[in-house]
Amino acid sequence: GDSVTQMEGPVTLSEEAFLTINCTYTATGYPSLFWYVQYPGEGLQLLLKATKADDKGSNKGFEATYRKETTSFHLEKGSVQVSDSAVYFCALFEGYNKLIFGAGTRLAVHP
Amino acid sequence: GAGVSQSPSNKVTEKGKDVELRCDPISGHTALYWYRQRLGQGLEFLIYFQGNSAPDKSGLPSDRFSAERTGESVSTLTIQRTQQEDSAVYLCASSAQTGQGNTIYFGEGSWLTVV
Repeated sequence: GDSVTQMEGPVTLSEEAFLTINCTYTATGYPSLFWYVQYPGEGLQLLLKATKADDKGSNKGFEATYRKETTSFHLEKGSVQVSDSAVYFCALFEGYNKLIFGAGTRLAVHP
Repeated sequence: GAGVSQSPSNKVTEKGKDVELRCDPISGHTALYWYRQRLGQGLEFLIYFQGNSAPDKSGLPSDRFSAERTGESVSTLTIQRTQQEDSAVYLCASSAQTGQGNTIYFGEGSWLTVV
């Protein structure tokens, strides 16, 4: 079946550092890809998505590009803030009704 | 409502007891999902409802787990004879449509602890 692999955390960065969280996937066909974020004490929120190859999803300074050739959807941000501290989940849409999630990557940003 | 609402937010139960978790999806959303998130792990798909179609139960881990949905509204996830390995956050989600690219909105979850 389809699967998502993302880099293990925790990732610890200083404020204003550059962030990359790697995500690769295995799937039949070309599924839509997502990044969800879970802030401390809050529910899971959609951060960004891309629905086809070479699409770039972006939101709140975060970006991810759907790379079909490398089956990747890496999350990047040029300058992180303390408020970005959260757990980030990469996910793909399998079939018509199922999100398959990676294990999550915890990001801690220090002032 | 404004978002997906779940109750209870926290539940501690004794091993062997039954528990019910409730989900109110976003008004007008026809699709409803249940996921489980064990500590430090990703989300596992449990079950999916779409309108009046037969639910997709392929993710339910055992016959102790069941779920119902009334029309396009409230859903209840029931776990019978709870075990300690059932301890997790149970997340409900809903979406306006199904299919690729569709945005799924999650509730804040019901934290279940089996002691």
